[in-house]
Amino acid sequence: GAGVSQSPSNKVTEKGKDVELRCDPISGHTALYWYRQSLGQGLEFLIYFQGNSAPDKSGLPSDRFSAERTGGSVSTLTIQRTQQEDSAVYLCASSPNSEGLGYGYTFGSGTRLTVV
Amino acid sequence: AQKITQTQPGMFVQEKEAVTLDCTYDTSDPSYGLFWYKQPSSGEMIFLIYQGSYDQQNATEGRYSLNFQKARKSANLVISASQLGDSAMYFCAMREGTKTSYDKVIFGPGTSLSVIP
Repeated sequence: GAGVSQSPSNKVTEKGKDVELRCDPISGHTALYWYRQSLGQGLEFLIYFQGNSAPDKSGLPSDRFSAERTGGSVSTLTIQRTQQEDSAVYLCASSPNSEGLGYGYTFGSGTRLTVV
Repeated sequence: AQKITQTQPGMFVQEKEAVTLDCTYDTSDPSYGLFWYKQPSSGEMIFLIYQGSYDQQNATEGRYSLNFQKARKSANLVISASQLGDSAMYFCAMREGTKTSYDKVIFGPGTSLSVIP
């Protein structure tokens, strides 16, 4: 597609349930990133995929969070046993090649997760 | 330690005036890139401008320019001739480079800019 696509755009879930958030990057972009933005806050790095390399998971806040990227394209962020503090906008971004400092990201529109 | 500092949580500017949004950063890596992003109330993140640590000249993109002071580790964004549509959150960000790989982009806490008619 023309841009980074995220689904769903909004998700309301009950505390304790698992959720899956999907990101479809721009075709050909080898790098994919997940960030979390709580209300009125900045962007918190979660995880980063680059090609076939092992992902950088250093930002995942707990073992309830995991992500995978299949075939170097679509990525799914999974949050198990959701808690109210997980409520945030989850942003996905992709870039054509992380081997180049000058590449800015293209962001998706985000998934707004609300845990009730 | 905070890698990106934006000391102005909120700023106001009169329409058509220029405004400077401050950003300081912390890195020991000689190779890095600095970015500014805009986030309007709609929530989308819009890439504005990029400055490389080895770039000799300050970056400019239309009404946006980056005042890069390497020794001070400062990368302020200057918006000239402010427009009402410039009202948004502005994030300064940095990507550090190593000899063999490049890392994720780290974002600052943001500055909320309001343009007054």
